[in-house]
Amino acid sequence: QQQVKQSPQSLIVQKGGISIINCAYENTAFDYFPWYQQFPGKGPALLIAIRPDVSEKKEGRFTISFNKSAKQFSLHIMDSQPGDSATYFCAASEGDQFYFGTGTSLTVIP
Amino acid sequence: DTAVSQTPKYLVTQMGNDKSIKCEQNLGHDTMYWYKQDSKKFLKIMFSYNNKELIINETVPNRFSPKSPDKAHLNLHINSLELGDSAVYFCASSPNRAFYGYTFGSGTRLTVV
Repeated sequence: QQQVKQSPQSLIVQKGGISIINCAYENTAFDYFPWYQQFPGKGPALLIAIRPDVSEKKEGRFTISFNKSAKQFSLHIMDSQPGDSATYFCAASEGDQFYFGTGTSLTVIP
Repeated sequence: DTAVSQTPKYLVTQMGNDKSIKCEQNLGHDTMYWYKQDSKKFLKIMFSYNNKELIINETVPNRFSPKSPDKAHLNLHINSLELGDSAVYFCASSPNRAFYGYTFGSGTRLTVV
């Protein structure tokens, strides 16, 4: 059973546009929600993370929006650039448990 | 200075062979992991070691055996390789068992022919 559901599977955005990736979870005990970015031939790297006591966290062009009541969180990439083309994974964890989403392949067209 | 390094980066081998992948981290982290990433990019945890002690052992064929000689090293040995073992294997580490601050290696692409 997939603990963290991620959508869309793939996304194509024009340069300068906004990329939005969504994730949903069921386990209300999750207390840490990171996003990872993976470039081809590389391992995933932590991009940004949020805890459930805040509704939004922004780091540069990357923003996590968190809706605790809906059990959903999303990654927004503002002013998307071709260099942002990568696979993005959401994740959720609580204690010893950590679950990745299924990944979103983002392509930003120049 | 690479934080989590894996060797080899590529591994092509025949069915039935035995192979090992090595991983080392220089971050001083207590916990290390092996993940498998399939062709659809899905990341699945295989094993986790905390200070050389096995703490996560997911449903993985017993042909896969991890070994942690010390907390900076976690190796993966695979016996009797099968076609379905072809994947990218990632080593990762974190400061403790709580997964915060995961750092991944760059992966080992295993191809079984």
